[in-house]
Amino acid sequence: EVQLVESGGGLVQPGGSLRLSCAASGFTFSIFDMSWVRQAPGKGLEWVSLIRRNDGPTYYADSVKGRFTISRDNSRNTLYLQMNTLRAEDTAVYFCATGSCNSAFCSPYLDYWGQGTLVTVSS
Amino acid sequence: DIQLTQSPSFLSASVGDRVTITCRASQGIGGYLAWYQQEPGKAPNLLIYLASTLRSGVPSRFSGSGSGTEFTLTISSLQPEDFATYYCQQVNSYPRTFGQGTKLEIK
Repeated sequence: EVQLVESGGGLVQPGGSLRLSCAASGFTFSIFDMSWVRQAPGKGLEWVSLIRRNDGPTYYADSVKGRFTISRDNSRNTLYLQMNTLRAEDTAVYFCATGSCNSAFCSPYLDYWGQGTLVTVSS
Repeated sequence: DIQLTQSPSFLSASVGDRVTITCRASQGIGGYLAWYQQEPGKAPNLLIYLASTLRSGVPSRFSGSGSGTEFTLTISSLQPEDFATYYCQQVNSYPRTFGQGTKLEIK
């Protein structure tokens, strides 16, 4: 069974940094594309970032480019999101998510989601 | 970046009604569109991918159609558990944007 468990959220001051983690289990983590999606309180979903399988290319939303870094540790089955220079508008629940993959192909559609971790940026 | 605009943003309907939600893309995305359902306090749930393919286990009252820039999600006969917020997402290009959401409420 695919499981994704986020951690690392909390309260941080504007300009501060935070690193989120997503522990994955139940699948061969290294061959899956992995994504972060966030949702500000009472607002809609916002795609944040993706890292391709096998530590491949990374992609970012314009709103976080240059401030956030997505990475993965395939030996630990863990996805990360390093968030720097945080702003009030980064306050959100951050979800990690993935699609279905096999050795040849990864679906871009997000079949599996974690429960989310809340990041609050406030002084 | 590709913008997705959903309409309506809010929809009030009754159990048994047929409802349709539209998602319009700012440029052509082929059929590379998904629909998600989200209940309050929960993670989103994938309903439809490739614009019209029902994910395994999703009830057949849900259907999707469209290609290019205009897409629809239809629920043929609303059930109580369908009252939630629905999002479209394009996966044709990066960034993989979502629509702003459509909140479906009980009339």
